[in-house]
Amino acid sequence: GQNIDQPTEMTATEGAIVQINCTYQTSGFNGLFWYQQHAGEAPTFLSYNVLDGLEEKGRFSSFLSRSKGYSYLLLKELQMKDSASYLCAVLDSNYQLIWGAGTKLIIKP
Amino acid sequence: IAGITQAPTSQILAAGRRMTLRCTQDMRHNAMYWYRQDLGLGLRLIHYSNTAGTTGKGEVPDGYSVSRANTDDFPLTLASAVPSQTSVYFCASSSSGDTGELFFGEGSRLTVL
Repeated sequence: GQNIDQPTEMTATEGAIVQINCTYQTSGFNGLFWYQQHAGEAPTFLSYNVLDGLEEKGRFSSFLSRSKGYSYLLLKELQMKDSASYLCAVLDSNYQLIWGAGTKLIIKP
Repeated sequence: IAGITQAPTSQILAAGRRMTLRCTQDMRHNAMYWYRQDLGLGLRLIHYSNTAGTTGKGEVPDGYSVSRANTDDFPLTLASAVPSQTSVYFCASSSSGDTGELFFGEGSRLTVL
């Protein structure tokens, strides 16, 4: 079966750095996506990785290792507005998105 | 404002009733999707459409139907609602069916009693 694992909840301090991990086992791979979802709102696209390595976009970076079936989302200089759920998703060989259950990130002052 | 519009935003429904959730996009995207989101679970695909005139079943299609008469509209119908269909429903679109960059509507919170 297809499976995506990510921690259920994480807590971090404002101004700090946090790394949210995602491991996946899917039928094929056509890219890995990270989405941000604030409570009561819709998910919004954050990043896309299809090749191994690090993609940086401002305070957010996303890393992929296809051989290990592993990705992480790195958030720097945390702000209170970063409190949200972060969803990891993989596009499989049939171009279907397989979603993780999401990681709820709590930022404390 | 360009994007996806869902209606209603919230609805309480008696079991056995028929309900249609509406979804309209103005981005001229080819692909559209309906997901449900339940606490502790990832987004689950109900139905999708890669282009106007075609639809396909997702992971959890039972009890739901869709139509795609044109590019912009993708309504989701619950023929006879059951309490297990209580959920938040998200409509989404993408430029094509082979990308994972989706644009989501604001969601429709449905409670079936």
